[in-house]
Amino acid sequence: EDKVVQSPLSLVVHEGDTVTLNCSYEVTNFRSLLWYKQEKKAPTFLFMLTSSGIEKKSGRLSSILDKKELFSILNITATQTGDSAVYLCAVATLRDNYGQNFVFGPGTRLSVLP
Amino acid sequence: KAGVTQTPRYLIKTRGQQVTLSCSPISGHRSVSWYQQTPGQGLQFLFEYFSETQRNKGNFPGRFSGRQFSNSRSEMNVSTLELGDSALYLCASNRGQVGDRASKNIQYFGAGTRLSVL
Repeated sequence: EDKVVQSPLSLVVHEGDTVTLNCSYEVTNFRSLLWYKQEKKAPTFLFMLTSSGIEKKSGRLSSILDKKELFSILNITATQTGDSAVYLCAVATLRDNYGQNFVFGPGTRLSVLP
Repeated sequence: KAGVTQTPRYLIKTRGQQVTLSCSPISGHRSVSWYQQTPGQGLQFLFEYFSETQRNKGNFPGRFSGRQFSNSRSEMNVSTLELGDSALYLCASNRGQVGDRASKNIQYFGAGTRLSVL
């Protein structure tokens, strides 16, 4: 059975700290790994990673994938209170002729204190 | 381009009733997936529809069903509601085309329907 694990499940930091969120997976027919940020309702897309070792960066957020060790990390530098959210990791797998399947991890709840 | 639209945003029902939730995907997206999100279980996959056909299904009882229309809009129905069905129901859409590059198949979410069963 496909599985995505995230750690830590919960994290409390102060503004200005740097955090690293972890996502590991065991799936068949890996296609891509995606990170989402969920503040109140709709998860919003952050990054998609398909190749090992290539860092994706957007402002203070960055992410990298290691397909050999089956994990990804999401880094947030100089955290702000607006970064407080649940960060979801999802893995897309190919299903023969049936498109993709998305498997989600439990999420990491990040709280940034002023 | 409009995002994924879900209606209604909130619903309160009692045990034994049934409910229908609606999802309009992003224009051009033919795949619609439904998820249940609860504090204890996280995001659980319900089912995926593509071109009016259920293409993929999670491990939920038959009380949970769905359908997709020719314009790609989708509805999800839950019959004989139970207290444990209280959750945020999220809909997500993507192009869904087999053979597309991965970058063309990012899943985008709607704001969800918060269902409370009393």
